[in-house]
Amino acid sequence: GQQLNQSPQSMFIQEGEDVSMNCTSSSIFNTWLWYKQDPGEGPVLLIALYKAGELTSNGRLTAQFGITRKDSFLNISASIPSDVGIYFCAGGIISRSNDYKLSFGAGTTVTVRA
Amino acid sequence: NAGVTQTPKFRVLKTGQSMTLLCAQDMNHEYMYWYRQDPGMGLRLIHYSVGEGTTAKGEVPDGYNVSRLKKQNFLLGLESAAPSQTSVYFCASSYFSGNEQFFGPGTRLTVL
Repeated sequence: GQQLNQSPQSMFIQEGEDVSMNCTSSSIFNTWLWYKQDPGEGPVLLIALYKAGELTSNGRLTAQFGITRKDSFLNISASIPSDVGIYFCAGGIISRSNDYKLSFGAGTTVTVRA
Repeated sequence: NAGVTQTPKFRVLKTGQSMTLLCAQDMNHEYMYWYRQDPGMGLRLIHYSVGEGTTAKGEVPDGYNVSRLKKQNFLLGLESAAPSQTSVYFCASSYFSGNEQFFGPGTRLTVL
């Protein structure tokens, strides 16, 4: 699959803080998706982006599809304790067999600062 | 709607044993996928299906087989389990190809 570099690998949040994470790739994608995974559960879709330059919000979450189609970022505003978890980016591209394939980043682990 | 369900949730195998993981979805999705998730790595695609009766290889297909006899079910088989197959396995489905995939809760498999 395509290589996605997601950063940071981990971060600590304090309630009320704004946090950002991003994904970059050397390849272009047709779509960018952001998922959140809670312990012991499957990833849940947060935001889907379909056009280069698109900026989309879902509550306190905002994500953008980079103009170069090689990157995306996710912002969480005014973080709350339930924001902890692992956030994954995923880039979608049409494969040689004309199917869309998703490539996932390694994830950003968000934990609460003690 | 139950969404995507997976059976079993946990399993421990000995090297060389076989097993089948079941994925079921009730959203009438055409596309179904099997991923594995290992620590510090993103989800990696094992096999996928673009419709009933079809299957295709993903990024890491070796050691696994799949079948899609019914639209709502996607089975992942391990014929001879190896310790390297210790992982968490996720099934996903989507209506259109690839986008907005919906995931099941996962199966945690340990191969001793």
